[in-house]
Amino acid sequence: DADVTQTPRNRITKTGKRIMLECSQTKGHDRMYWYRQDPGLGLRLIYYSFDVKDINKGEISDGYSVSRQAQAKFSLSLESAIPNQTALYFCATSDWPGYSNTGELFFGEGSRLTVL
Amino acid sequence: SQQGEEDPQALSIQEGENATMNCSYKTSINNLQWYRQNSGRGLVHLILIRSNEREKHSGRLRVTLDTSKKSSSLLITASRAADTASYFCATAAYNAGNNRKLIWGLGTSLAVNP
Repeated sequence: DADVTQTPRNRITKTGKRIMLECSQTKGHDRMYWYRQDPGLGLRLIYYSFDVKDINKGEISDGYSVSRQAQAKFSLSLESAIPNQTALYFCATSDWPGYSNTGELFFGEGSRLTVL
Repeated sequence: SQQGEEDPQALSIQEGENATMNCSYKTSINNLQWYRQNSGRGLVHLILIRSNEREKHSGRLRVTLDTSKKSSSLLITASRAADTASYFCATAAYNAGNNRKLIWGLGTSLAVNP
């Protein structure tokens, strides 16, 4: 089984719908991240969490929200999806020490979201 | 232009040849990392090199870091078809809030032909 599991792997939805992407990990890491990947724009950080009581906005948090339900679970929600949120979304974990986001990341397989 | 720019954007070689990819960056870094991404899959960490290191090896991978030129290179020796993937560098740099974060390049797409 994968260490970092994302569900769903693929989702097609319509503009205005609420979407939740879920991530669970068995690595025992405290830090979890949500990224989106777009061709020509690279990876961009949406939200990150250093532990269950800590949630931080990344570069592009507008239109997204997150919930850290447990150490192992971190979900990303799009309250009202729009077409420019069509992208490949990745969850990642890290056990890098200190208060920074600069360590080795362990990625899930991605969730491909299409908003029509 | 972006911190962590890979060069070339695309590279096509024959199996058995060596592949070299470069990453340039602009600001001071704490470390630099290389990741591989197979088509439609998640990224996999390859190597992390710290700012006080000049070279690291892992199997057929060799990474160099030249902080004076603000550049790094990833060498894959004796390439295999299975090395076909996109390769990304990520630099651990300070952002405007004086906090460190990872800044990602756009990647080099490597095709290894059998």
